[in-house]
Amino acid sequence: EVQLVESGGGLVQPGRSLRLSCAASGFTFDDYAMHWVRQVPGKGLEWVSGINWNSGYIDYADFVKGRFTISRDNAKNFLYLQMNNLRVEDTAFYYCTKDVVGTYDTFDIWGQGTMVTVSS
Amino acid sequence: QSALTQPASVSGSPGQSITISCTGTSNDVGSYNLVSWYQQHPGKVPKLIIYEVTKGPSGVSSRFSGSKSGNTASLTISGLQAEDEADYYCCSYAAGRTLIFGGGTKLTVL
Repeated sequence: EVQLVESGGGLVQPGRSLRLSCAASGFTFDDYAMHWVRQVPGKGLEWVSGINWNSGYIDYADFVKGRFTISRDNAKNFLYLQMNNLRVEDTAFYYCTKDVVGTYDTFDIWGQGTMVTVSS
Repeated sequence: QSALTQPASVSGSPGQSITISCTGTSNDVGSYNLVSWYQQHPGKVPKLIIYEVTKGPSGVSSRFSGSKSGNTASLTISGLQAEDEADYYCCSYAAGRTLIFGGGTKLTVL
């Protein structure tokens, strides 16, 4: 079974850091690009960041550029999101998503999400 | 990076067909055949229902179909069923190797 399991969310003060992890299983991890997508509860979806299979392409939404860093470990089948200088407006569910093979534009499989709350 | 424009809500009766529009610009929808659509039921994780404008993933009902004309993509649901009541989001690849979502559309089955 294809599965993505996020961890690392929690309550953090503004300006602090948090690292999200996503454990992938049930598919050949290094065949696929991966993305992080977030959703404020009750609101819409926002693409946060993407990384292709070999980390050759790494991209960010403008609202996280310079603060967040996406990375992956193909040997361990893990995706990460290092979030620095967190803001109140970063509060959201963060989903780890898998792309369709050979593409960098589709969220084929979603994890259950991990909640990040930024508050003083 | 402005969000793609979707109607806030649409409605239809069982058995009818409805269409949800997704309007972008020449920097995203208009330039790439890379629009995807997601269905999200309350409290659930989003589910891919259409990708690359017209392609349906394995296991997704053929009642869902996609199209595009100019800067506007569309999702059509035919033979509306009660279980189709959900939020629907479009997403497009955009210049600069980014991805942009629409604001979402709430579908009500009357």
